[in-house]
Amino acid sequence: AQRVTQPEKLLSVFKGAPVELKCNYSYSGSPELFWYVQYSRQRLQLLLRHISRESIKGFTADLNKGETSFHLKKPFAQEEDSAMYYCALSSGNTGKLIFGQGTTLQVKP
Amino acid sequence: GAVVSQHPSRVICKSGTSVKIECRSLDFQATTMFWYRQFPKQSLMLMATSNEGSKATYEQGVEKDKFLINHASLTLSTLTVTSAHPEDSSFYICSARKGPNEKLFFGSGTQLSVL
Repeated sequence: AQRVTQPEKLLSVFKGAPVELKCNYSYSGSPELFWYVQYSRQRLQLLLRHISRESIKGFTADLNKGETSFHLKKPFAQEEDSAMYYCALSSGNTGKLIFGQGTTLQVKP
Repeated sequence: GAVVSQHPSRVICKSGTSVKIECRSLDFQATTMFWYRQFPKQSLMLMATSNEGSKATYEQGVEKDKFLINHASLTLSTLTVTSAHPEDSSFYICSARKGPNEKLFFGSGTQLSVL
């Protein structure tokens, strides 16, 4: 079955500390993986996708097929990074997304 | 970037009434729109995929007659919750894309409360 797991509901770090939001997936084929972010009172928006291999706002994520993981990392957290982060998986060309449970990142000053 | 407008942002209705939620792509034509449902502190669950000019494809467990989806134009999809009951109370979110492999854009969501 297709599944996305984000084990942490809440991750709290101090400003300047490294951040890693965990995401594991279960999928039989070749998945496309995404990270979405939702800032307070704003709509969900794409942060990055594994295909593009780009870094957005200092965040990176590497697809590890062996560990079926797509962890989101940032070396130095900023207060404005505080938000809800969702890992998502897309199968094929349908555009359908399967979301993880979400992790709230809280960056303290 | 592209904008998806969702209306209303919040609706309160009596049990047994029907509620319509609109999802519009403001500056692009959306061949496909998706409807999600989110319970408090839970993840987004895909309800259905809406393709312009054809019937929506519903996910397993989603009642077609309960959640009517219409995608009559390339810029508008509607979700009608028929004969709403308190258990239908939830946050409903739509998303839209221009075409295959295109980026998804999300609406701001609709909080439905059924009394």
